[in-house]
Amino acid sequence: AQSVTQPDIHITVSEGASLELRCNYSYGATPYLFWYVQSPGQGLQLLLKYFSGDTLVQGIKGFEAEFKRSQSSFNLRKPSVHWSDAAEYFCAVGEYNFNKFYFGSGTKLNVKP
Amino acid sequence: GAVVSQHPSWVICKSGTSVKIECRSLDFQATTMFWYRQFPKQSLMLMATSNEGSKATYEQGVEKDKFLINHASLTLSTLTVTSAHPEDSSFYICSAREPKGAGELFFGEGSRLTVL
Repeated sequence: AQSVTQPDIHITVSEGASLELRCNYSYGATPYLFWYVQSPGQGLQLLLKYFSGDTLVQGIKGFEAEFKRSQSSFNLRKPSVHWSDAAEYFCAVGEYNFNKFYFGSGTKLNVKP
Repeated sequence: GAVVSQHPSWVICKSGTSVKIECRSLDFQATTMFWYRQFPKQSLMLMATSNEGSKATYEQGVEKDKFLINHASLTLSTLTVTSAHPEDSSFYICSAREPKGAGELFFGEGSRLTVL
């Protein structure tokens, strides 16, 4: 069965520090992978996506993610976190026809000044 | 990117009443829209897939008669929570897939329902 695991429920980093949010997936075929960010009381905004090709993908707001098939992972990274990055981040796997998406449980990011 | 809009953003209603939430794709036509429910501090739970011109497909455990979905046009899907109870209080989010795009979902702003 398809599933997405985000092992870290909460993460706190200092402003300016680097960030890595973990995501592991279980999917029988080639996965389509996404990272979304949700600010409090808001919908979700797409940060980046991976369909094929270069396994290191660049997204908006300085985020990047690397697809590692051998580890079934799609971790999100940012070299230097800004206070405005504080939000909740969701990793998702989409079926090949995009008819269903499976979301991880989310990681809440706090940024210390 | 494509824009999906939900209305209302906040709604408070009395127990036993019905509430309608609208989801619109503003700059594209969406034959398929998705309705999610998000409990506090939890991830999104897919409730149903809304198909334009046909019946919605509900996920297991979601009551069809409780959560009525109508996708009457290519730009509008509605979710009606019928005979609402306090346990229906939640954050409801819709999304749509842009047909010509690369397949990602575009999300509405969400609708916070509080049933008193």
